[in-house]
Amino acid sequence: AQSVTQLGSHVSVSEGALVLLRCNYSSSVPPYLFWYVQYPNQGLQLLLKYTSAATLVKGINGFEAEFKKSETSFHLTKPSAHMSDAAEYFCAVSDFNQGGKLIFGQGTELSVKP
Amino acid sequence: EPEVTQTPSHQVTQMGQEVILRCVPISNHLYFYWYRQILGQKVEFLVSFYNNEISEKSEIFDDQFSVERPDGSNFTLKIRSTKLEDSAMYFCASKTGRGGELFFGEGSRLTVL
Repeated sequence: AQSVTQLGSHVSVSEGALVLLRCNYSSSVPPYLFWYVQYPNQGLQLLLKYTSAATLVKGINGFEAEFKKSETSFHLTKPSAHMSDAAEYFCAVSDFNQGGKLIFGQGTELSVKP
Repeated sequence: EPEVTQTPSHQVTQMGQEVILRCVPISNHLYFYWYRQILGQKVEFLVSFYNNEISEKSEIFDDQFSVERPDGSNFTLKIRSTKLEDSAMYFCASKTGRGGELFFGEGSRLTVL
Protein backbone atom coordinates (compact mmCIF):
# COMPACT_ATOMS: atom_id res chain seq x y z
CA ALA A 1 0.00 0.00 0.00
CA GLN A 2 1.10 3.52 -0.68
CA SER A 3 1.36 6.23 1.94
CA VAL A 4 2.70 9.72 2.44
CA THR A 5 4.07 11.35 5.57
CA GLN A 6 4.53 15.09 5.88
CA LEU A 7 6.83 16.12 8.69
CA GLY A 8 5.55 19.17 10.51
CA SER A 9 1.91 20.15 10.51
CA HIS A 10 2.87 23.80 10.74
CA VAL A 11 5.91 25.63 9.35
CA SER A 12 6.56 29.32 9.88
CA VAL A 13 9.14 31.33 7.92
CA SER A 14 9.97 34.97 7.46
CA GLU A 15 9.30 36.70 4.20
CA GLY A 16 12.32 36.19 1.94
CA ALA A 17 13.50 33.10 3.77
CA LEU A 18 13.87 29.60 2.36
CA VAL A 19 10.76 27.42 2.42
CA LEU A 20 11.27 23.70 3.02
CA LEU A 21 8.28 21.41 3.40
CA ARG A 22 9.10 17.75 3.96
CA CYS A 23 7.41 14.75 2.39
CA ASN A 24 8.34 11.09 2.59
CA TYR A 25 6.52 8.38 0.72
CA SER A 26 6.09 4.65 0.82
CA SER A 27 5.33 2.76 -2.36
CA SER A 28 5.96 -0.76 -3.64
CA VAL A 29 5.99 0.45 -7.23
CA PRO A 30 7.61 3.49 -8.85
CA PRO A 31 5.54 6.35 -7.52
CA TYR A 32 4.05 9.40 -9.10
CA LEU A 33 4.32 12.25 -6.61
CA PHE A 34 2.50 15.54 -6.35
CA TRP A 35 2.37 18.71 -4.32
CA TYR A 36 -0.94 20.56 -4.04
CA VAL A 37 -1.64 23.91 -2.41
CA GLN A 38 -4.89 24.91 -0.76
CA TYR A 39 -5.56 28.58 -0.07
CA PRO A 40 -8.22 29.45 2.50
CA ASN A 41 -11.73 28.57 1.35
CA GLN A 42 -10.47 27.28 -1.98
CA GLY A 43 -9.92 23.93 -3.65
CA LEU A 44 -6.67 22.09 -4.24
CA GLN A 45 -4.34 23.45 -6.90
CA LEU A 46 -1.51 21.43 -8.40
CA LEU A 47 1.91 22.96 -7.71
CA LEU A 48 4.07 20.33 -9.38
CA LYS A 49 4.35 16.63 -10.12
CA TYR A 50 6.99 13.95 -10.54
CA THR A 51 6.23 11.22 -13.08
CA SER A 52 9.59 9.44 -13.48
CA ALA A 53 11.23 12.00 -15.75
CA ALA A 54 13.66 14.56 -14.26
CA THR A 55 14.20 14.15 -10.53
CA LEU A 56 14.19 17.92 -9.96
CA VAL A 57 10.75 19.22 -10.77
CA LYS A 58 9.88 22.87 -11.15
CA GLY A 59 6.36 24.06 -10.47
CA ILE A 60 4.32 27.19 -10.33
CA ASN A 61 5.01 30.21 -8.12
CA GLY A 62 8.74 29.46 -7.88
CA PHE A 63 8.37 26.14 -6.07
CA GLU A 64 10.40 23.07 -6.87
CA ALA A 65 10.80 19.57 -5.48
CA GLU A 66 13.44 16.90 -5.76
CA PHE A 67 12.66 13.20 -5.96
CA LYS A 68 15.21 11.19 -3.98
CA LYS A 69 14.57 7.48 -4.30
CA SER A 70 17.29 6.51 -1.80
CA GLU A 71 15.63 8.67 0.84
CA THR A 72 12.04 8.04 -0.35
CA SER A 73 11.55 11.79 -0.18
CA PHE A 74 9.97 14.52 -2.26
CA HIS A 75 10.57 17.71 -0.32
CA LEU A 76 9.14 21.01 -1.55
CA THR A 77 11.32 24.11 -1.58
CA LYS A 78 11.19 27.75 -2.54
CA PRO A 79 14.27 29.98 -2.23
CA SER A 80 12.44 33.08 -1.03
CA ALA A 81 9.05 33.04 0.70
CA HIS A 82 6.38 35.57 -0.16
CA MET A 83 3.42 36.56 1.97
CA SER A 84 1.12 35.12 -0.69
CA ASP A 85 2.64 31.65 -0.14
CA ALA A 86 0.77 31.28 3.15
CA ALA A 87 -1.49 28.27 2.62
CA GLU A 88 -1.88 24.55 3.33
CA TYR A 89 0.39 22.28 1.31
CA PHE A 90 -0.35 18.63 0.61
CA CYS A 91 1.99 15.99 -0.70
CA ALA A 92 0.33 13.08 -2.52
CA VAL A 93 1.30 9.79 -4.15
CA SER A 94 -0.45 7.94 -6.94
CA ASP A 95 -0.05 4.64 -8.73
CA PHE A 96 -1.48 5.17 -12.18
CA ASN A 97 -1.60 1.47 -12.74
CA GLN A 98 -4.34 1.33 -10.13
CA GLY A 99 -6.57 3.98 -11.60
CA GLY A 100 -4.80 7.09 -10.54
CA LYS A 101 -6.33 7.89 -7.19
CA LEU A 102 -4.24 10.13 -4.96
CA ILE A 103 -3.19 9.32 -1.41
CA PHE A 104 -2.59 12.53 0.51
CA GLY A 105 -0.35 13.39 3.41
CA GLN A 106 -1.65 15.16 6.47
CA GLY A 107 -0.83 18.59 5.13
CA THR A 108 1.54 21.33 6.27
CA GLU A 109 0.30 24.80 7.02
CA LEU A 110 2.80 27.41 5.93
CA SER A 111 2.80 30.78 7.65
CA VAL A 112 4.89 33.66 6.34
CA LYS A 113 5.86 36.43 8.74
CA PRO A 114 6.60 39.95 7.48
CA GLU B 1 -9.77 28.29 -18.07
CA PRO B 2 -11.94 25.20 -17.61
CA GLU B 3 -12.72 24.33 -14.02
CA VAL B 4 -14.57 21.82 -11.88
CA THR B 5 -17.60 23.40 -10.25
CA GLN B 6 -19.39 22.18 -7.15
CA THR B 7 -22.72 23.01 -5.58
CA PRO B 8 -23.71 23.83 -2.95
CA SER B 9 -20.71 25.52 -1.43
CA HIS B 10 -22.14 24.91 2.04
CA GLN B 11 -25.01 22.75 3.21
CA VAL B 12 -26.36 22.30 6.71
CA THR B 13 -28.56 19.28 7.34
CA GLN B 14 -30.08 17.32 10.17
CA MET B 15 -28.75 13.89 11.06
CA GLY B 16 -30.59 11.18 9.14
CA GLN B 17 -31.42 13.38 6.17
CA GLU B 18 -30.36 12.64 2.61
CA VAL B 19 -27.86 14.95 0.97
CA ILE B 20 -26.84 15.26 -2.67
CA LEU B 21 -23.65 17.09 -3.58
CA ARG B 22 -23.29 18.08 -7.18
CA CYS B 23 -20.27 18.48 -9.40
CA VAL B 24 -19.76 19.51 -13.00
CA PRO B 25 -16.39 18.10 -14.11
CA ILE B 26 -14.37 19.60 -16.94
CA SER B 27 -16.13 18.68 -20.17
CA ASN B 28 -13.59 16.42 -21.89
CA HIS B 29 -12.58 14.58 -18.71
CA LEU B 30 -13.26 10.88 -18.34
CA TYR B 31 -12.20 10.02 -14.78
CA PHE B 32 -14.12 11.39 -11.81
CA TYR B 33 -13.42 11.32 -8.10
CA TRP B 34 -14.83 12.32 -4.76
CA TYR B 35 -12.60 13.10 -1.80
CA ARG B 36 -13.43 14.41 1.64
CA GLN B 37 -11.56 16.38 4.26
CA ILE B 38 -12.76 16.34 7.83
CA LEU B 39 -11.78 19.56 9.58
CA GLY B 40 -8.13 19.42 10.60
CA GLN B 41 -7.49 16.08 8.93
CA LYS B 42 -6.02 14.88 5.67
CA VAL B 43 -7.80 14.73 2.34
CA GLU B 44 -9.22 11.19 1.96
CA PHE B 45 -10.17 9.32 -1.19
CA LEU B 46 -13.78 8.20 -1.34
CA VAL B 47 -14.51 6.87 -4.80
CA SER B 48 -13.41 6.92 -8.43
CA PHE B 49 -15.74 6.63 -11.41
CA TYR B 50 -14.96 5.77 -15.01
CA ASN B 51 -17.01 4.57 -17.95
CA ASN B 52 -20.24 4.98 -15.99
CA GLU B 53 -19.25 2.76 -13.13
CA ILE B 54 -17.32 2.84 -9.89
CA SER B 55 -13.72 1.80 -10.53
CA GLU B 56 -12.54 1.95 -6.93
CA LYS B 57 -13.90 2.89 -3.54
CA SER B 58 -12.46 3.28 -0.07
CA GLU B 59 -13.62 1.78 3.21
CA ILE B 60 -15.33 5.09 3.98
CA PHE B 61 -17.61 4.68 0.96
CA ASP B 62 -20.14 2.36 2.56
CA ASP B 63 -23.75 1.62 1.59
CA GLN B 64 -24.83 5.08 2.73
CA PHE B 65 -22.91 6.61 -0.16
CA SER B 66 -23.63 6.45 -3.87
CA VAL B 67 -22.44 8.24 -6.97
CA GLU B 68 -24.13 8.88 -10.25
CA ARG B 69 -23.53 10.60 -13.55
CA PRO B 70 -27.16 11.08 -14.53
CA ASP B 71 -26.89 13.24 -17.63
CA GLY B 72 -23.35 13.08 -18.96
CA SER B 73 -22.29 16.34 -17.35
CA ASN B 74 -23.16 16.26 -13.66
CA PHE B 75 -21.45 13.91 -11.22
CA THR B 76 -23.26 13.55 -7.91
CA LEU B 77 -22.47 12.17 -4.49
CA LYS B 78 -25.45 11.08 -2.42
CA ILE B 79 -25.36 10.37 1.28
CA ARG B 80 -28.54 8.47 2.08
CA SER B 81 -28.81 9.04 5.82
CA THR B 82 -26.28 11.52 7.13
CA LYS B 83 -24.40 11.03 10.38
CA LEU B 84 -22.60 13.59 12.50
CA GLU B 85 -19.26 12.19 11.35
CA ASP B 86 -20.14 12.94 7.72
CA SER B 87 -19.49 16.61 8.44
CA ALA B 88 -16.59 17.49 6.17
CA MET B 89 -15.51 19.32 3.05
CA TYR B 90 -16.23 17.19 0.01
CA PHE B 91 -14.10 17.71 -3.09
CA CYS B 92 -14.92 16.58 -6.58
CA ALA B 93 -12.07 16.04 -9.04
CA SER B 94 -11.68 15.01 -12.65
CA LYS B 95 -9.04 14.29 -15.25
CA THR B 96 -8.72 13.41 -18.92
CA GLY B 97 -6.87 10.13 -18.62
CA ARG B 98 -5.28 7.84 -16.10
CA GLY B 99 -2.00 9.73 -16.22
CA GLY B 100 -3.43 13.21 -16.45
CA GLU B 101 -3.47 16.02 -13.93
CA LEU B 102 -6.27 15.85 -11.40
CA PHE B 103 -8.33 19.04 -11.24
CA PHE B 104 -10.24 19.75 -8.04
CA GLY B 105 -13.35 21.77 -7.40
CA GLU B 106 -13.54 24.29 -4.57
CA GLY B 107 -15.42 21.88 -2.36
CA SER B 108 -18.81 21.56 -0.72
CA ARG B 109 -18.85 21.95 3.03
CA LEU B 110 -21.37 19.66 4.69
CA THR B 111 -22.40 20.28 8.27
CA VAL B 112 -24.55 17.62 9.93
CA LEU B 113 -26.34 18.69 13.10
